[in-house]
Amino acid sequence: DQQVKQNSPSLSVQEGRISILNCDYTNSMFDYFLWYKKYPAEGPTFLISISSIKDKNEDGRFTVFLNKSAKHLSLHIVPSQPGDSAVYFCAASGGSGGSYIPTFGRGTSLIVHP
Amino acid sequence: NAGVTQTPKFQVLKTGQSMTLQCAQDMNHNSMYWYRQDPGMGLRLIYYSASEGTTDKGEVPNGYNVSRLNKREFSLRLESAAPSQTSVYFCASSARGFGSPLHFGNGTRLTVT
Repeated sequence: DQQVKQNSPSLSVQEGRISILNCDYTNSMFDYFLWYKKYPAEGPTFLISISSIKDKNEDGRFTVFLNKSAKHLSLHIVPSQPGDSAVYFCAASGGSGGSYIPTFGRGTSLIVHP
Repeated sequence: NAGVTQTPKFQVLKTGQSMTLQCAQDMNHNSMYWYRQDPGMGLRLIYYSASEGTTDKGEVPNGYNVSRLNKREFSLRLESAAPSQTSVYFCASSARGFGSPLHFGNGTRLTVT
């Protein structure tokens, strides 16, 4: 059973507009959440994270929002650029025994059109 | 600064053959991991090593073995490859501790025929 779900396999956005990538989790023990970005033929790279004690974290064009009651987080990219086209993975850690090992979602492929 | 280096980048095996995927990191990280990525399945943990001298199974360990050779190196071995092991394999490392992000290598694309 998936503990971290990214229900949208793909997302298409026009350059300059906002991209919103969503992630849901089922394990209420998760307390740290990360987003990774992956280009083809490369490994994932860390993008941004948020602790459960916060509800928002911002880094330049990237903002992650956390809604603990809904067990939902989202990544906002504003403004979107063609170079943002990649697969984005949501990951969560914590859980039983405080495991630091992240559980990944299946990813969302973002395409930003010029 | 190379980060996490994986070798080889590509490999084709016949069913039943064996091979070892190599991984090395130069960031002095304590923890290392092996993931596989399959279409529509995301990243699934095969094995991990919390620190030098320890290894533990992840979500999909069957058919694999690992060796934490030293703090820098963590290898993944397929003793008898099967077509179901066709995948892209990623090695990663982290400083460990709460919330430490993973640093990934660029992957090994393995095809088993």
